[in-house]
Amino acid sequence: DTGVSQDPRHKITKRGQNVTFRCDPISEHNRLYWYRQTLGQGPEFLTYFQNEAQLEKSRLLSDRFSAERPKGSFSTLEIQRTEQGDSAMYLCASSLEMDINSPLHFGNGTRLTVT
Amino acid sequence: QQQVKQSPQSLIVQKGGISIINCAYENTAFDYFPWYQQFPGKGPALLIAIRPDVSEKKEGRFTISFNKSAKQFSLHIMDSQPGDSATYFCAAIPGVRRVNFGNEKLTFGTGTRLTIIP
Repeated sequence: DTGVSQDPRHKITKRGQNVTFRCDPISEHNRLYWYRQTLGQGPEFLTYFQNEAQLEKSRLLSDRFSAERPKGSFSTLEIQRTEQGDSAMYLCASSLEMDINSPLHFGNGTRLTVT
Repeated sequence: QQQVKQSPQSLIVQKGGISIINCAYENTAFDYFPWYQQFPGKGPALLIAIRPDVSEKKEGRFTISFNKSAKQFSLHIMDSQPGDSATYFCAAIPGVRRVNFGNEKLTFGTGTRLTIIP
């Protein structure tokens, strides 16, 4: 168990640019989640996948945001035309369906700064 | 809209003391209440969790107390240690969402920064 891996750890970009983050979940976990955490706040749910299917999207996920999990393994989160308000920590988590005791395992996040 | 209210925002406790963090909710559909611990530069990690059919759950030095009628729950850290210094988040999940106990769509509180001083 190598844990949930996120790349990059930090990303600085200029307003208007596109950015893409990657998440590699724990290998046997079939559920994958994206959360956003701003300074001094708790994480906020963005979206989640069960295998390759995106089952729910938060209203926070504007049309500039898109997430994919093409083969049911790693996932990418893309933000187009970034805005300063997108600056946050983007957290990925994974869990195992059918395991009643399975908690969410979070990665260490990608910190995005939009200048 | 903040569905889970957490207090205090920050807390300083002397080593060996009891740290108490409180949370309150309004959505009666919530039926699973985990606590997460987050160290700087790390993602949140599950600490302990409770379901509303019990009023208390204890794991080592960590205890959750749950008051269903008041819609409040709290985390108690006994014999607090400097290594407990971290940010703590309460969270909640509505039962209708927890298909197969999936844990999706956690609603987090705003967090409490706990500092344990020697």
